[in-house]
Amino acid sequence: NAGVTQTPKFQVLKTGQSMTLQCAQDMNHEYMSWYRQDPGMGLRLIHYSVGAGITDQGEVPNGYNVSRSTTEDFPLRLLSAAPSQTSVYFCASSYSIGTSGKATDTQYFGPGTRLTVL
Amino acid sequence: GNSVTQMEGPVTLSEEAFLTINCTYTATGYPSLFWYVQYPGEGLQLLLKATKADDKGSNKGFEATYRKETTSFHLEKGSVQVSDSAVYFCALGNNDMRFGAGTRLTVKP
Repeated sequence: NAGVTQTPKFQVLKTGQSMTLQCAQDMNHEYMSWYRQDPGMGLRLIHYSVGAGITDQGEVPNGYNVSRSTTEDFPLRLLSAAPSQTSVYFCASSYSIGTSGKATDTQYFGPGTRLTVL
Repeated sequence: GNSVTQMEGPVTLSEEAFLTINCTYTATGYPSLFWYVQYPGEGLQLLLKATKADDKGSNKGFEATYRKETTSFHLEKGSVQVSDSAVYFCALGNNDMRFGAGTRLTVKP
């Protein structure tokens, strides 16, 4: 099992550019999510999905779009990059979904994408 | 709402020293509590967890006890190694998952 994979590992964008961060998992998990990690702030939830065709917003969704066409893949799109989106982005998946519709049990994380927006 | 507060770092210890990283939480009901570890250049991975009061999670010599009376889940290890150098995150699972800010640990030989 590869677990959760993410590409690219590093990316530099100019303000206004768009790009897609890729995420895939081979554990057949229904739940997938995207977080951003900023110094001193821990991880914050951007978007999540409880299955193919179903997505919802997390804590900090503005400026990002997601789609879930298959169980395996959950790409994150930056529509028009801004310097405030400079961060490390983690994709995660979970076998368990809480009654609230979000993961409340163990999550499996990808290695992250370090994004810099100039 | 749900939140997690963990001790600020960085923490620097000598090999074989005792480690404590404090974590306290605020939540309604009965959350699950987790410690994740992030090694350099990698994603977070689960270190240990506890799902109810007085449970003790343990793994790789680390342990933490779910204390409802003090709303705490402090991480401890009796003798750290250089290979334990990493960032440690406390997390709470209730209606959603909340992460602490992370504590960077450096262990020197």
